[in-house]
Amino acid sequence: DIQMTQSPSSLSASVGDRVTITCQASQDISNYLNWYQQKPGKAPKLLIYDASNLETGVPSRFSGSGSGTDFTFTISSLQPEDIATYYCQQYDNLLSFGGGTKVEIK
Amino acid sequence: QVQLQESGPGLVKPSQTLSLTCTVSGGSISSGGYYWSWIRQHPGKGLEWIGYIYYSGSTYYNPSLKSRVTISVDTSKNQFSLKLSSVTAADTAVYYCARDHGSVWGQGTTVTVSS
Repeated sequence: DIQMTQSPSSLSASVGDRVTITCQASQDISNYLNWYQQKPGKAPKLLIYDASNLETGVPSRFSGSGSGTDFTFTISSLQPEDIATYYCQQYDNLLSFGGGTKVEIK
Repeated sequence: QVQLQESGPGLVKPSQTLSLTCTVSGGSISSGGYYWSWIRQHPGKGLEWIGYIYYSGSTYYNPSLKSRVTISVDTSKNQFSLKLSSVTAADTAVYYCARDHGSVWGQGTTVTVSS
């Protein structure tokens, strides 16, 4: 099994701040990594695929980078509507998710 | 635009089998070479992949659930289904169906295991 370690588990930031979340895979997964946003009571929404590609319609303030075992997700300027929990997911070998990062407004 | 919709009982008794169906609309389950996933989320917790199936019928399961899970596809109805046997309260969760790893998701259905 590939384990995905995501950090931090929660963060609080001000509107306009740059927010960074990291995800580490237990083995090399190349760039087979997605990032999702989930708001309360809703299904997750794909934001970034293949580690760094922005899904159609997703604002450009969201970005992803990394390959191998270490990945980063960034919100360049946090907006109130970005309050959500974010998950990384690998799909190199079956599927598995990180534990999630809850993003709140300070 | 492809849409997915889960359906099935919201309440299942312990030791019984949980059965859910995902209906795919706006596209054929057989086209595009996609696989079709089941993912669940325990109350207040993170996401757990259950398994997926290719339109051809090949299945892949989470090793932690493999002994209890069966996923099948009915291309004539454009549906795929989940069966989870010998359920306990620990299987209480929101169950989602999704295309591939999660490019498209259903809205989710809550299943409670209780007598």
